Amino acid sequence: TQLLEQSPQFLSIQEGENLTVYCNSSSVFSSLQWYRQEPGEGPVLLVTVVTGGEVKKLKRLTFQFGDARKDSSLHITAAQPGDTGLYLCAGAGDSGGYNKLIFGAGTRLAVHP
Amino acid sequence: DAMVIQNPRYQVTQFGKPVTLSCSQTLNHNVMYWYQQKSSQAPKLLFHYYDKDFNNEADTPDNFQSRRPNTSFCFLDIRSPGLGDAAMYLCATSSRIEKLFFGSGTQLSVL
Repeated sequence: TQLLEQSPQFLSIQEGENLTVYCNSSSVFSSLQWYRQEPGEGPVLLVTVVTGGEVKKLKRLTFQFGDARKDSSLHITAAQPGDTGLYLCAGAGDSGGYNKLIFGAGTRLAVHP
Repeated sequence: DAMVIQNPRYQVTQFGKPVTLSCSQTLNHNVMYWYQQKSSQAPKLLFHYYDKDFNNEADTPDNFQSRRPNTSFCFLDIRSPGLGDAAMYLCATSSRIEKLFFGSGTQLSVL
């Protein structure tokens, strides 16, 4: 069974601080996705990383896929209250042309003004 | 405009009383998924349709059923809800490996 472990589970910081959250597995994934979920809403895709070692940036967010495609990290620079939410990583196993995602339990981030 | 629409947003049912949750999409995607998400836990895949082909996860209880009458609609039926079935139910669609589109979810309460 493929599992994704996210750490930390909870993170409470002040506006302007930097933070990194991690997503680890013993399994290799064909791609890994990061989603952000707000209370009472469905997850919204932030980024997909496909190649081992790949780094993608989305404004103040930097995503990295591990060389062996088993882990990933999300780094947020100068966090803002609007970054508050549940960050989920999800690994994709190729099911023959479409996605079947395995989710981590998430990191719940609170950014205080 | 919302592309994956789930109704209702909040559903309250009684223990053992059947309930149906609905999902519709305007994206014309081949694949539709149902996930269950309990508080502070990862979304858990219950089943998915690839076109009309139904794929059940091995650990999805028999109490959960699904119907997909056409490309646009998919339903989740819970035949006899128990207290442990209270959760957020998320519908998602995809046509390519890279991206899933999620609805806003239905929060189910069981009294």
